[in-house]
Amino acid sequence: QVQLQESGPGLVKASQTLSLTCTVSGGSISSGYYYWSWIRQPAGKGLEWIGRIYASGSTNYNPSLKSRVTISGDTSKNQFSLKLSSVTAADTAVYYCARDFKDNWNDYGMDVWGQGTTVTVSS
Amino acid sequence: QSVLTQPPSVSAAPGQKVTISCSGSSSNIGNDYVSWYQQFPGTAPKLLIYENNKRPSGIPDRFSGSKSGTSATLGITGLQTGDEADYYCATWDSSLSGGRVFGGGTKLTVL
Repeated sequence: QVQLQESGPGLVKASQTLSLTCTVSGGSISSGYYYWSWIRQPAGKGLEWIGRIYASGSTNYNPSLKSRVTISGDTSKNQFSLKLSSVTAADTAVYYCARDFKDNWNDYGMDVWGQGTTVTVSS
Repeated sequence: QSVLTQPPSVSAAPGQKVTISCSGSSSNIGNDYVSWYQQFPGTAPKLLIYENNKRPSGIPDRFSGSKSGTSATLGITGLQTGDEADYYCATWDSSLSGGRVFGGGTKLTVL
């Protein structure tokens, strides 16, 4: 059974870079079948997709965040990571990682999620 | 402002049926599959429906999904108090560089 776990600092200073890691157990990020996504949710608000990475290292990003986001993978540790630069208070949210599958023919959705980690941007 | 439009809230009595709508455009719902997620306070979202109307293993058939044109609908029959949660629709938007987009979420209250 695949499980995902987010980790990283809970507090980041404004203008700095937010860095989070998602550790995958029970499955391999290099399997070449699934994508691995990051999603965030400000308190009391809806979900926002940040981006995703495939086994090959190819990425897709939310156009509204693209200039500040980098998602990378470490197959040796079976982890994938999120970096969000130049953060502001608007980036304060619960950040989730999730297993994702969507290609040109099928879309199985985001079927396995981490528990989420809260990141607060302080001034 | 979410790309997909959902009603902020819906309510119904236990045992009744409720539907939640999700409206989009030709670049998202009109061009791709829709999925639905259920989220209880303080927990991660859970996949309920994928590819418009398919249920993952373990999701009861009280939950159903449909899509027509640029809109989609989640239906829940035999409402239970345990269904009280937030529900989100999602799809892929092919405009610009593409990416997943969500609705703003609908709070279901079981009266």
